[in-house]
Amino acid sequence: AQSVAQPEDQVNVAEGNPLTVKCTYSVSGNPYLFWYVQYPNRGLQFLLKYITGDNLVKGSYGFEAEFNKSQTSFHLKKPSALVSDSALYFCAVRDRTGGFKTIFGAGTRLFVKA
Amino acid sequence: NAGVTQTPKFRVLKTGQSMTLLCAQDMNHEYMYWYRQDPGMGLRLIHYSVGEGTTAKGEVPDGYNVSRLKKQNFLLGLESAAPSQTSVYFCASSYPPAFFGQGTRLTVV
Repeated sequence: AQSVAQPEDQVNVAEGNPLTVKCTYSVSGNPYLFWYVQYPNRGLQFLLKYITGDNLVKGSYGFEAEFNKSQTSFHLKKPSALVSDSALYFCAVRDRTGGFKTIFGAGTRLFVKA
Repeated sequence: NAGVTQTPKFRVLKTGQSMTLLCAQDMNHEYMYWYRQDPGMGLRLIHYSVGEGTTAKGEVPDGYNVSRLKKQNFLLGLESAAPSQTSVYFCASSYPPAFFGQGTRLTVV
């Protein structure tokens, strides 16, 4: 069965510093991978996805993510954090075997201090 | 262009009561989903639909029913609400899910 793990409940980073939010996954075969962001009292917003091709995927708001097949990871990164990046971030995975279920991780809360 | 609209935004139910949550999208998407969000558990898929007239079970379908009579609408029903169904419910559309509603906060007392 497919699963997603976000090992950190919370990540703290100073504004201007690089940030990383970690995600590891387990699926049978090659995955589709996604990152979403949720601001307080809002629905999720799609940030980026990995389907195939280049392992470094660029998305919205300056975020990018790196797919690492050997480590089954898809970490979200940004070179320079902004206070406005403070939010809840979700990693999600779907396998390619024909199912349509997208499974979400538990979420990582990012705090960016000024 | 309203995107994905959920109604109601808040609701308090007594145990055993029934209700229907409505999700409407105006983007002509085939795929629609209902998720619930609970603290520390992320989003869990309740049911989904790959087109008008079709529905399928997700991870946590028990206690819920859905219908997709029209392409733009995806209804989530609770026939007999239980306190364990207290949660925030999100509807989403497109494939993969990229457009989310603002959520319905449901409390069952």
